[in-house]
Amino acid sequence: SQQGEEDPQALSIQEGENATMNCSYKTSINNLQWYRQNSGRGLVHLILIRSNEREKHSGRLRVTLDTSKKSSSLLITASRAADTASYFCATVIIQGAQKLVFGQGTRLTINP
Amino acid sequence: SQTIHQWPATLVQPVGSPLSLECTVEGTSNPNLYWYRQAAGRGLQLLFYSVGIGQISSEVPQNLSASRPQDRQFILSSKKLLLSDSGFYLCAWTLQRVVRFGPGTRLTVT
Repeated sequence: SQQGEEDPQALSIQEGENATMNCSYKTSINNLQWYRQNSGRGLVHLILIRSNEREKHSGRLRVTLDTSKKSSSLLITASRAADTASYFCATVIIQGAQKLVFGQGTRLTINP
Repeated sequence: SQTIHQWPATLVQPVGSPLSLECTVEGTSNPNLYWYRQAAGRGLQLLFYSVGIGQISSEVPQNLSASRPQDRQFILSSKKLLLSDSGFYLCAWTLQRVVRFGPGTRLTVT
């Protein structure tokens, strides 16, 4: 079953603007990870935030985590055309093995 | 450094035919291995995971099966494919926290 739900499902912005994507989940997590998928390709890991962290940065990426609201957000600043991709949040559950449970993703389009 | 290989990259198979997708990981030992499937325009669904040789856990009932004959080899199989088995199949591995994905196999069942 799906755990994470991204919002919005699709987002289209102009190059240079900031893009914000949100993710909500249902159960307690060990950590939460964001991935990017270019069309027809495999997933690329972007950033991991632990359940005891509230914010994390990596280059132009900023991730927040609110465990009380069971939600996370991914902010991409100063977007570029190359940022066009689908973005997924994945919650990590430890049940015998570490399992990633993915949402449906947000399709981000950066218009030049 | 660790790398993950999947093959083939694309596959077109008729309904009722068998399936074998292979995944191998290099540069690590005793990783957790995973098979995910992604339907068109959708998120990823975890199909199987393995914590060691011969240890397979199934997440959803289906006509697929998985095997791990060697530490760094994970195989996804089916005896008879269904149309609904079409999708993008991704193998992944992890040792600690971050899960790394292979390039995927796009399967079309006709």
